[in-house]
Amino acid sequence: QSALTQPASVSGSPGQSITISCTGTSSDVGGYNYVSWYQQHPGKAPKLMIYDVTNRPSGVSDRFSGSKSGNTASLTISGLQAEDEADYYCSSYTSSNTRVFGGGTRLTVL
Amino acid sequence: QVQLVESGGGLVKPGGSLRLSCVASGFTFSDYYMSWIRQAPGKGLEWVSYISSSGNTIFYVDSVKGRFTISRDNAKSALYLQMSSLRAEDTAVYYCARERRGYSYGYDYWGQGTLITVSS
Repeated sequence: QSALTQPASVSGSPGQSITISCTGTSSDVGGYNYVSWYQQHPGKAPKLMIYDVTNRPSGVSDRFSGSKSGNTASLTISGLQAEDEADYYCSSYTSSNTRVFGGGTRLTVL
Repeated sequence: QVQLVESGGGLVKPGGSLRLSCVASGFTFSDYYMSWIRQAPGKGLEWVSYISSSGNTIFYVDSVKGRFTISRDNAKSALYLQMSSLRAEDTAVYYCARERRGYSYGYDYWGQGTLITVSS
């Protein structure tokens, strides 16, 4: 049950695009199209941004998109805005029927 | 609207026990898998346990197996986490979260969290 691997931090200027990676194994990220992404602002509960690798819940901006290649999933945020500054976590279903999160990535909007 | 409200957090000594509750409203609780997810101070999210809609299927992260017990009462729309043999490393905000239905994965609703502090 090792955590998925995410970069500790990423940054970008307003209007730019950034991508956050999430690397697992064939027993989790690579084995299923069951990856989700969460945004968490300080002191708040996480918010679902992407589910099933590529799908956005109703109400989430289309500036957020997800993808996957092999054992690595990615979250891309285009047209960066100040309010996107937050921590982002990926999560995956696993072959053991458990769930696992990534270590989290702090996004700084410069 | 969907709401998840946790309670039961507090300060507990190492080796002690505590029971968390999460009361759901705004949806048919018995239709959904539910999970407990925790976040140690200044750290990332850690999935702790999940329970199927009927309560028949349960899984835990290795670090809490044998110490924590998840359960639910669908008649009361309530989720529970009985925690025993608590350790300092169990100190965290504990969230209950609803999993998307069907062949889909994502926690679409979260509670506000309840803080557990394990300290002497």
